[in-house]
Amino acid sequence: AQSVAQPEDQVNVAEGNPLTVKCTYSVSGNPYLFWYVQYPNRGLQFLLKYITGDNLVKGSYGFEAEFNKSQTSFHLKKPSALVSDSALYFCAVRDASTTDSWGKLQFGAGTQVVVTP
Amino acid sequence: GAVVSQHPSWVICKSGTSVKIECRSLDFQATTMFWYRQFPKQSLMLMATSNEGSKATYEQGVEKDKFLINHASLTLSTLTVTSAHPEDSSFYICSARDRGAGELFFGEGSRLTVL
Repeated sequence: AQSVAQPEDQVNVAEGNPLTVKCTYSVSGNPYLFWYVQYPNRGLQFLLKYITGDNLVKGSYGFEAEFNKSQTSFHLKKPSALVSDSALYFCAVRDASTTDSWGKLQFGAGTQVVVTP
Repeated sequence: GAVVSQHPSWVICKSGTSVKIECRSLDFQATTMFWYRQFPKQSLMLMATSNEGSKATYEQGVEKDKFLINHASLTLSTLTVTSAHPEDSSFYICSARDRGAGELFFGEGSRLTVL
C-alpha cells in the first residue's frame, strides 16, 4: 500500500520569504515522487519529480524538492516566494517496484499556499 | 512538456441529460488515460483507467453505467456522464501517460454543473 501525507492544509508566507510545503510518503518499495500545482478551475501542472539520482531535484518556476529516504519526506521549497505562487500544491507518489502503476499514483490532500504582498 | 486538451472546460446541463467530456493528447500517443473527480478543496479521486481498444477499469464505488468511458484511439478518451443529477456536479480531470517521458500529463479539467 502507498500513501502520502501533506500535514498542512494551508501555508501562509510573505512575498520574498522562503516557502516550504511538506510531504511525507509511505510505499512498499522505492518511491517515485512528484509535485504538481493547481490554479483555480485548472488542471494540474507538473513541477518536478524524483525518480533516482541526486536527492535535490530542481523543477519549474524556481521550485526544488529534497528527497530524504530516512525521513520518507519530499518537501517542496522555493527560496523567495511570489504572489503568483499562490495555488494548491499536490504531492504524489507511486511505488517504483509495481509495473505500470500509473493509475495508482497516490495524491496527497493538497496544501493551499497563500503568498501575501 | 506534452499537452493534454480537455473539452469542454465548462458545461451546464439539466438533470436527466447526458454530457460528454473529451480528453485528447495533442502531441503524443497515450495508450492509457485516467479520469479523476475532484471536489472543492479536495484531492483527486481516481475514477477509472481508460485503455485504448479495451474496456475501462473502474475504481471501487464508481458506477460504470453512469460514467461511460471510451478510448477509441491513441489520442482520445471520452467520459460520458449519463442521466446526470445535481450530485454529479464536480470538476473532472483527465490525464494521459506519455511512455517516452515516463510521467503523467493532465488536462485543464472540466467543470460540470447539473441543474
